[in-house]
Amino acid sequence: ETGVTQTPRHLVMGMTNKKSLKCEQHLGHNAMYWYKQSAKKPLELMFVYNFKEQTENNSVPSRFSPECPNSSHLFLHLHTLQPEDSALYLCASSQSVGNEQFFGPGTRLTVL
Amino acid sequence: QQQVKQSPQSLIVQKGGISIINCAYENTAFDYFPWYQQFPGKGPALLIAIRPDVSEKKEGRFTISFNKSAKQFSLHIMDSQPGDSATYFCAARYNQGGKLIFGQGTELSVKP
Repeated sequence: ETGVTQTPRHLVMGMTNKKSLKCEQHLGHNAMYWYKQSAKKPLELMFVYNFKEQTENNSVPSRFSPECPNSSHLFLHLHTLQPEDSALYLCASSQSVGNEQFFGPGTRLTVL
Repeated sequence: QQQVKQSPQSLIVQKGGISIINCAYENTAFDYFPWYQQFPGKGPALLIAIRPDVSEKKEGRFTISFNKSAKQFSLHIMDSQPGDSATYFCAARYNQGGKLIFGQGTELSVKP
């Protein structure tokens, strides 16, 4: 595997379900990011981790819970989501915060 | 408020034509302006970037024009090809903390 990988690529969940999105980067980077991409809207930064420490939470509702166990892995735990949370969730990494970001292919999430 | 405004939302160009996408910003704390290209089913990928001390940067068929006084920058794609059909995002990076702010995206379609 090379670059930034994300699993699953597609996810359909009910509003009462609990699920997790996984991101792994194989680039030796130290910073990782979660973005939300909705149609016709700018990419919205959700969380930033630098050397496993969360450095930014962009006023994200608590039903989204990130976890970064090491510099290569990033998770987004989801629970009691709303239909308006349906979107493409993108993970990215960079050598350090502020450097060029490399994106994964995203997880297409549908909340019923 | 929307910090980076991008237009047009969609663009159709004939093969061989010039594609032009415009972005405007207001915050003078931005120090780096990248453009990302996103194909369906893929994450955004860095295409070309410019710093505000330069008025133009060219890489192959892709050129960024930057007008610091007007706080505007644009992407020009010369000799547009069907393979250029994708969504293009402009972005601006804060000089403190390195956070990227994205425009809404432009869906480009190049007709053969």
